[in-house]
Amino acid sequence: EDKVVQSPLSLVVHEGDTVTLNCSYEVTNFRSLLWYKQEKKAPTFLFMLTSSGIEKKSGRLSSILDKKELFSILNITATQTGDSAVYLCAVEGFSQKLVFGQGTRLTINP
Amino acid sequence: DTEVTQTPKHLVMGMTNKKSLKCEQHMGHRAMYWYKQKAKKPPELMFVYSYEKLSINESVPSRFSPECPNSSLLNLHLHALQPEDSALYLCASSQVGLRPPSYGYTFGSGTRLTVV
Repeated sequence: EDKVVQSPLSLVVHEGDTVTLNCSYEVTNFRSLLWYKQEKKAPTFLFMLTSSGIEKKSGRLSSILDKKELFSILNITATQTGDSAVYLCAVEGFSQKLVFGQGTRLTINP
Repeated sequence: DTEVTQTPKHLVMGMTNKKSLKCEQHMGHRAMYWYKQKAKKPPELMFVYSYEKLSINESVPSRFSPECPNSSLLNLHLHALQPEDSALYLCASSQVGLRPPSYGYTFGSGTRLTVV
């Protein structure tokens, strides 16, 4: 059975800190790994990773995938209070099913 | 248009009611999904439609009945629900193909359902 495990489950930091969120997975016929940010309702798309070792960047956020060790990290630098959210990692196999991890609840204190 | 629109945003229904959730997208995506999300839990897949045909049903009880009338619309018909079915119901869409969809899956804002 496909499985995604995120750590930590909860993280509280001060504004300006850098955070690293972890995602490990087991999936049959891996196609992609996706990161989403969820505040109150819709998960919003951050990154999709398919190739190992290639960093994706968007402003202060970046992510990288290690297909050999079956994990991904999401980095957020110079955190802001608006980064407070639940960050979800999901993996997709060839079955069109997205399997989500439990999420990391990130709180940024001013 | 890069949105998935869900209606209604909130729904309260009794256990004997029949109601429907609606989802619409105009991005040309040919795969559409229903997910259920309980409080403080990740989304869980319920159904997948690919080219308007049901391709995955994750053993969802028959009181949930999906329908895909055309490539832009997805409905979820609800009948005789239980209080434990109260949750956020999310619709999503994506491209279909041999390669992963370029921008992942686009989610709607969800319908928050309360069964009383």
